[in-house]
Amino acid sequence: GEDVEQSLFLSVREGDSSVINCTYTDSSSTYLYWYKQEPGAGLQLLTYIFSNMDMKQDQRLTVLLNKKDKHLSLRIADTQTGDSAIYFCAEKADGGATNKLIFGTGTLLAVQP
Amino acid sequence: DGGITQSPKYLFRKEGQNVTLSCEQNLNHDAMYWYRQDPGQGLRLIYYSQIVNDFQKGDIAEGYSVSREKKESFPLTVTSAQKNPTAFYLCASSGRAKNIQYFGAGTRLSVL
Repeated sequence: GEDVEQSLFLSVREGDSSVINCTYTDSSSTYLYWYKQEPGAGLQLLTYIFSNMDMKQDQRLTVLLNKKDKHLSLRIADTQTGDSAIYFCAEKADGGATNKLIFGTGTLLAVQP
Repeated sequence: DGGITQSPKYLFRKEGQNVTLSCEQNLNHDAMYWYRQDPGQGLRLIYYSQIVNDFQKGDIAEGYSVSREKKESFPLTVTSAQKNPTAFYLCASSGRAKNIQYFGAGTRLSVL
């Protein structure tokens, strides 16, 4: 079945780069997404990448997609304490036949000052 | 301004009681979703609706019910059959462009 996996926890120092990794199973996924959740809040879309792209950069964020290995990563440059949150990757479910997304379990990013 | 509004922010349920969580969107999105989030876990889909007057069960629909009488509204009822309702509930909606889901701020439900 469809599954999205992430490591549970990442700790970095302020100013360093953070890399959050994700693996997915549905090779027919058209879009893959990264969301951020701050404590007690809803999910906020950070960025997304279309499956025919290898990389997408948006200010401090860089998304890399390796379709062969079904691996997605989110790099945050110059990580700040305000980046501390849970980060979820998601893929479209059912090969895109529906609007459903499958979310990973989330990676808690802790930024040390 | 446009967005998704969930209410209330906090809700307490007595044993045997049904409670309803509200979700309203003014983004003109066709699709709406309800997720449950437990500590240390990802989001699990309860119900979703791709169009008015139609909805489908997600992965954990037992003990929950929904309606979709208006495009803007997708209320979730947590029934007394849901024996472990304590969780953070998130509502989302999506349009046709890239199927990006936009989320509300969530409702935290606790049992008295």
